[in-house]
Amino acid sequence: DTAVSQTPKYLVTQMGNDKSIKCEQNLGHDTMYWYKQDSKKFLKIMFSYNNKELIINETVPNRFSPKSPDKAHLNLHINSLELGDSAVYFCASSQGAGPSYEQYFGPGTRLTVT
Amino acid sequence: KNQVEQSPQSLIILEGKNCTLQCNYTVSPFSNLRWYKQDTGRGPVSLTIMTFSENTKSNGRYTATLDADTKQSSLHITASQLSDSASYICVVRMIYNQGGKLIFGQGTELSVKP
Repeated sequence: DTAVSQTPKYLVTQMGNDKSIKCEQNLGHDTMYWYKQDSKKFLKIMFSYNNKELIINETVPNRFSPKSPDKAHLNLHINSLELGDSAVYFCASSQGAGPSYEQYFGPGTRLTVT
Repeated sequence: KNQVEQSPQSLIILEGKNCTLQCNYTVSPFSNLRWYKQDTGRGPVSLTIMTFSENTKSNGRYTATLDADTKQSSLHITASQLSDSASYICVVRMIYNQGGKLIFGQGTELSVKP
């Protein structure tokens, strides 16, 4: 009965490869997010979707492409992986995009690029 | 620049003791401030949320304060337990595009020893 789930939990891959991380929420939320947590532990927003529409797209290389097939899923595809992409990626969801809505985070996907 | 700074970076206390974590922010325009708890290998979980007009908010043994004039917040943990060992992250919501975006602090790593 996990609320926000991500797969895989760990991902080790070589530079230049293309990989995807999947996220699913069973909370019935309308808004989903992708965050990157770097080695210094800062979490930074990458993308936000509300009702399958992109509403936040931070300064992220266009090698990163989010895809939301439906409101319950937000996947992250990364092309031509680089060493600097190594981080923990968190998916989150909230009932709406408004300021009072709490965001619920998934367990994270630790990506290691070698 | 919109930033959230926390202190101390890490803290070790004995079980049963109290502690206070600090957060200073320069985020504008301000919407609200949350404290999150992040256990190792897990996603952050919200502890408290405060808006501009709120000075204090409690959640069990956790009490958060907010001084919107000085842009400072604190999280006080009473009678600490071993399970309180985690990273505590101060997060300020900035008004931005359809609801806002979260600006995360680096977190304070709390270790509670028996």
